[in-house]
Amino acid sequence: QKEVEQDPGPLSVPEGAIVSLNCTYSNSAFQYFMWYRQYSRKGPELLMYTYSSGNKEDGRFTAQVDKSSKYISLFIRDSQPSDSATYLCAMSPTGANSKLTFGKGITLSVRP
Amino acid sequence: NAGVMQNPRHLVRRRGQEARLRCSPMKGHSHVYWYRQLPEEGLKFMVYLQKENIIDESGMPKERFSAEFPKEGPSILRIQQVVRGDSAAYFCASSPRTGGNEQFFGPGTRLTVL
Repeated sequence: QKEVEQDPGPLSVPEGAIVSLNCTYSNSAFQYFMWYRQYSRKGPELLMYTYSSGNKEDGRFTAQVDKSSKYISLFIRDSQPSDSATYLCAMSPTGANSKLTFGKGITLSVRP
Repeated sequence: NAGVMQNPRHLVRRRGQEARLRCSPMKGHSHVYWYRQLPEEGLKFMVYLQKENIIDESGMPKERFSAEFPKEGPSILRIQQVVRGDSAAYFCASSPRTGGNEQFFGPGTRLTVL
């Protein structure tokens, strides 16, 4: 079993839709959870960063972490064509060595 | 306020040549991470360095790959005797502190081995 599993996609939605992206993980030591957005042939851009369980909201984006289920989500409200990109979940344990373990990413396309 | 800088952005090498990838972290960041992204694969951790120290190289192939982060200058990822399987995008990320889980990525170097 991979440490981090992410729905493979691709995902296509109409403009204005609510998008739900999800990852599951197996390593209970993970405490930090991140979502990155990566446009084609660009570097990953940090979107959301959360610690332990709970919700975090930033504009149209909401990140949720459920540690009891080892499940994290990213919600995008009022999706826009500019949201079309690959979304990567990433996580790491606490401590000095904070290498990130990534999901494979899901490609989202928002149709005008 | 410049972000993480990587150069070159594109690098073409023939089998057996050496590849040198450079990374300058964000201002004020002293922790550097290298990741590799193979086609159809997610980002995979390679190595974590602080100035003049390798902290974790558990993701580095045992042969041909090395990394350094000298006291002065950028971090260097070096691949000797490249093979076609080394073709990938190599990303550098930096963080301002130990346990810095907020990692900011550069634009990457796309290595093509002919």
